[in-house]
Amino acid sequence: QSELTQPPSVSEVPGQRVTISCSGRRSNIGTNGVNWYQQFPGEAPRLLIHDDDILPSGISERLSASRSGTSASLAISGLQAEDEADYFCGAWDDTLAGPVFGGGTKLTVL
Amino acid sequence: QAQLVQSGAEVKKPGASVKVSCKASGYGFTDNAMHWVRQAPGQRLEWMGWISVGTGNTNYLPKFQDRLTITREKSASTVYMELHSVTSEDTATYYCARDLELLAGTLDVWGQGTTVTVS
Repeated sequence: QSELTQPPSVSEVPGQRVTISCSGRRSNIGTNGVNWYQQFPGEAPRLLIHDDDILPSGISERLSASRSGTSASLAISGLQAEDEADYFCGAWDDTLAGPVFGGGTKLTVL
Repeated sequence: QAQLVQSGAEVKKPGASVKVSCKASGYGFTDNAMHWVRQAPGQRLEWMGWISVGTGNTNYLPKFQDRLTITREKSASTVYMELHSVTSEDTATYYCARDLELLAGTLDVWGQGTTVTVS
């Protein structure tokens, strides 16, 4: 299965900025937009960003994202304790004709 | 407001089948595709398959091709996921998720999840 690669964990102190990377292949990130999801323990994922950099209504503007080639990144500025969660990237894969996901990155706010 | 409500937790013996339902409300049920995604404890999200609710067309991840069936009942605004011949490796939380567009893999509304335990 074509899967996306993320770092297992990142950490930063409150108020600072953190970035989470996501790498894939030409058949997914290289061709299609990237989505980012947030998940708290015991809860369903929530869509944070879609089509590379679009924030759905209600999502904090402290979040931003970008895509270049077969990689993408999510940035969270002004870190708050409430940002501590797992973050997953996802993208449509043309080979599978379905979405693929990253392994998730656990964000710890120190 | 779009919402997906899934059926309750299931406990199954190895070799059995499990069927999970996902009832949609608050939007045009046939306007979007519906995906099923599962997550084993501490693991990544794993896409399993989708159904185009309007047409009934489906596509499954190859590893599930032989034992996964996704159907829909338009009159009940409900999508079903049935997994056959389950093993302990199928123990996971199963989510239905709406595609933001007709079919783009952008999952903007998620069900609350259904825990399936195979033991």
